[in-house]
Amino acid sequence: EAQVTQNPRYLITVTGKKLTVTCSQNMNHEYMSWYRQDPGLGLRQIYYSMNVEVTDKGDVPEGYKVSRKEKRNFPLILESPSPNQTSLYFCASSQGNPTDTQYFGPGTRLTVL
Amino acid sequence: KQEVTQIPAALSVPEGENLVLNCSFTDSAIYNLQWFRQDPGKGLTSLLLIQSSQREQTSGRLNASLDKSSGRSTLYIAASQPGDSATYLCAVPNQAGTALIFGKGTTLSVSS
Repeated sequence: EAQVTQNPRYLITVTGKKLTVTCSQNMNHEYMSWYRQDPGLGLRQIYYSMNVEVTDKGDVPEGYKVSRKEKRNFPLILESPSPNQTSLYFCASSQGNPTDTQYFGPGTRLTVL
Repeated sequence: KQEVTQIPAALSVPEGENLVLNCSFTDSAIYNLQWFRQDPGKGLTSLLLIQSSQREQTSGRLNASLDKSSGRSTLYIAASQPGDSATYLCAVPNQAGTALIFGKGTTLSVSS
């Protein structure tokens, strides 16, 4: 089954404790991206990757890191999480770029205390 | 800067009703427009992608229209069912082609 998977689905952590949210797709997609969704603000892009080893900042990259060492994986790293990073996070992928049909993961709900 | 707006923010209808969800965008120079469905606790599912050269796109009971010149798209849902209850989002690519710009969504509730 073609899908984007994220882990963990739910995470409660404390300020400053490094964490990684994994994202994996099995569709051989070139493009991958991370969004966060907040009430009243909607979905905003954090980082994106056009291909392996090619990543770039989106609209809200502060406090986040990513890597794209393999085509299928695109982890989101929070080196020192803060409460303002409490949010619902989505990973997405598509064959080329966002003009192609986007496939989204199920989301990761992160709470930073 | 492109902005996408969806009105209304919430909509409640009885089962069987036909309904229209609205999406507007400020910059008409779009490549395409996508409609998504979001269920609580689940990710976004792409419903329809309508290219800028198209006027309509249909999938089952769903029909999306696009009027680039007026900066509007509509999602028509025929014979609504309780299973259609979800949040519907529209999105367009940004000018650089690196991200989707989303509306804040319309939350639809269909009662039986």
